[in-house]
Amino acid sequence: ETGVTQTPRHLVMGMTNKKSLKCEQHLGHNAMYWYKQSAKKPLELMFVYSLEERVENNSVPSRFSPECPNSSHLFLHLHTLQPEDSALYLCASSQDPEGTGRGEQYFGPGTRLLVL
Amino acid sequence: GESVGLHLPTLSVQEGDNSIINCAYSNSASDYFIWYKQESGKGPQFIIDIRSNMDKRQGQRVTVLLNKTVKHLSLQIAATQPGDSAVYFCAERDLYNQGGKLIFGQGTELSVKP
Repeated sequence: ETGVTQTPRHLVMGMTNKKSLKCEQHLGHNAMYWYKQSAKKPLELMFVYSLEERVENNSVPSRFSPECPNSSHLFLHLHTLQPEDSALYLCASSQDPEGTGRGEQYFGPGTRLLVL
Repeated sequence: GESVGLHLPTLSVQEGDNSIINCAYSNSASDYFIWYKQESGKGPQFIIDIRSNMDKRQGQRVTVLLNKTVKHLSLQIAATQPGDSAVYFCAERDLYNQGGKLIFGQGTELSVKP
């Protein structure tokens, strides 16, 4: 185990549903990340939070809404998704002394999302 | 066995042989590189890293080589075992020009035959 947990591990949702992905890190890190992993594609960085402030948003559609209530928890709220949003969503955390989201990252197991 | 990264996304080796997984990167300003291993159903797991002021770094059964002249990174796994079967990703970081975020390669799938 890496010290980063994600729930649920699998999620099937319709395009009109609202759901949330949860990530929790037990490593005392101060930066957290959301990545999207699609088949045959490199990992795509979606959001970075450092010291509970969002430091990066990589042109992600507004149907994805992140929330970081504290340094240990990260959420990804999903609303009116499209079938092409089906992917593995990975959370990661790192220790980031400079507050820029640059430390070595530890990944959770991911949530496998299927949008019907 | 040897792969050429993006041009050969799969590598099959015999148990006990050495494996070499290659990665080409494009940003000459990248200062830090990481290899990750991702097993089926799991998230990426850190294997080894190397900074741009080094050309070789060794871990337990793994060695990373960095050739900045040709912008090439390789991961060598000695005495490959069935448990090494996974997808291996390289990632690069440009501390000053890309906000320090990691840029991941496509990955190479390593399959170890018993």
